[in-house]
Amino acid sequence: AQKVTQAQTEISVVEKEDVTLDCVYETRDTTYYLFWYKQPPSGELVFLIRRNSFDEQNEISGRYSWNFQKSTSSFNFTITASQVVDSAVYFCALSEAYNFNKFYFGSGTKLNVKP
Amino acid sequence: NAGVTQTPKFQVLKTGQSMTLQCAQDMNHEYMSWYRQDPGMGLRLIHYSVGAGITDQGEVPNGYNVSRSTTEDFPLRLLSAAPSQTSVYFCASSYPGVNTEAFFGQGTRLTVV
Repeated sequence: AQKVTQAQTEISVVEKEDVTLDCVYETRDTTYYLFWYKQPPSGELVFLIRRNSFDEQNEISGRYSWNFQKSTSSFNFTITASQVVDSAVYFCALSEAYNFNKFYFGSGTKLNVKP
Repeated sequence: NAGVTQTPKFQVLKTGQSMTLQCAQDMNHEYMSWYRQDPGMGLRLIHYSVGAGITDQGEVPNGYNVSRSTTEDFPLRLLSAAPSQTSVYFCASSYPGVNTEAFFGQGTRLTVV
């Protein structure tokens, strides 16, 4: 069975601090996809990144970076120099490679960035 | 570009009432699914469809029905609403391939009293 764990329920930081959101997953599949979504206070789900299981390269996009380590089944997300606009709930999710319908979400981490 | 459209955005039901949450997508995606979001539990899969005429159960299907008569539409029916179905419901569409992602609707906030 697939499972995604986000142990950090809520994190508070002061603006300009760096923050890392943890994500640990469980799957028996050898091929799968990992995602991060952002849910701002307005409620919509915003796609941030997808990582395929066969691609362990880390990725940086502006202030965002992602660290994928298959050896520890982790897909952590770091925001550098956080801003108030980063305040949101962040979800990590896993999708089966052969059923792109089925996303398994973690419980989410609420990030509060204070000015 | 409408993407995934859900209606209504808000709904209050009385226990025992039935209703249909609508979901439509204009991206010609094969795959569509319904999730519910409850505090502290993330999103959980209710039902999903891999194409017109094909549906299957997800993690929490009890109390819900779906059908998929067209590629575009994937309605979710609550047969007899219960307070435990108070939640935010998201519809999503996706497509196969290494560049896949799920496109989500804006959500429907449902309260059952």
